Amino acid sequence: AQTVTQSQPEMSVQEAETVTLSCTYDTSENNYYLFWYKQPPSRQMILVIRQEAYKQQNATENRFSVNFQKAAKSFSLKISDSQLGDTAMYFCAFMKPGTSYGKLTFGQGTILTVHP
Amino acid sequence: EAEVAQSPRYKITEKSQAVAFWCDPISGHATLYWYRQILGQGPELLVQFQDESVVDDSQLPKDRFSAERLKGVDSTLKIQPAELGDSAMYLCASSLAATYNEQFFGPGTRLTVL
Repeated sequence: AQTVTQSQPEMSVQEAETVTLSCTYDTSENNYYLFWYKQPPSRQMILVIRQEAYKQQNATENRFSVNFQKAAKSFSLKISDSQLGDTAMYFCAFMKPGTSYGKLTFGQGTILTVHP
Repeated sequence: EAEVAQSPRYKITEKSQAVAFWCDPISGHATLYWYRQILGQGPELLVQFQDESVVDDSQLPKDRFSAERLKGVDSTLKIQPAELGDSAMYLCASSLAATYNEQFFGPGTRLTVL
């Protein structure tokens, strides 16, 4: 079974600065997908960014980028130019293709607070 | 912008009572998921539907939980009887297909069992 670990329960950053959230996972699969989801206070969870394991290039979405280290099974999220609206709980998630296609396995989450 | 709808948003019940949650996915989304999120933890998949068929219910406590998606559109999750440990947020999500497509989440139903 796959496991996802987020070792930082809480993080804080000043507005306009950069912060990195950590995620490690355990799997014996070679092909899979990784995601970062954002859950703002009292609002829906939304997708931030995703990465296909077969792609060596790290995914980027505007101010959000990942550092995907397949051998180390590490998938960190970097948020540049942090904004107050980035305050949320962030979840790292794993998905493997095949019979479990679509099933997301989430980490415990990291609460990120952006201070003005 | 299309969204996943859930109701009720909040539910308080006493243990041993029955509760039901409803989810209406984004139109055209064939795959529907029910997750349970205990406070301070990540969501855990309870059941996954492809159209009206269950494709994964391995984590669903079948002695007390049931889920259906009769016409392959909206879905109901039921708990009977509710237990104290069922207190959690119940999230519904949908996607176009069971692939690595983005899953769109609803606002959730916060259940409190007294």
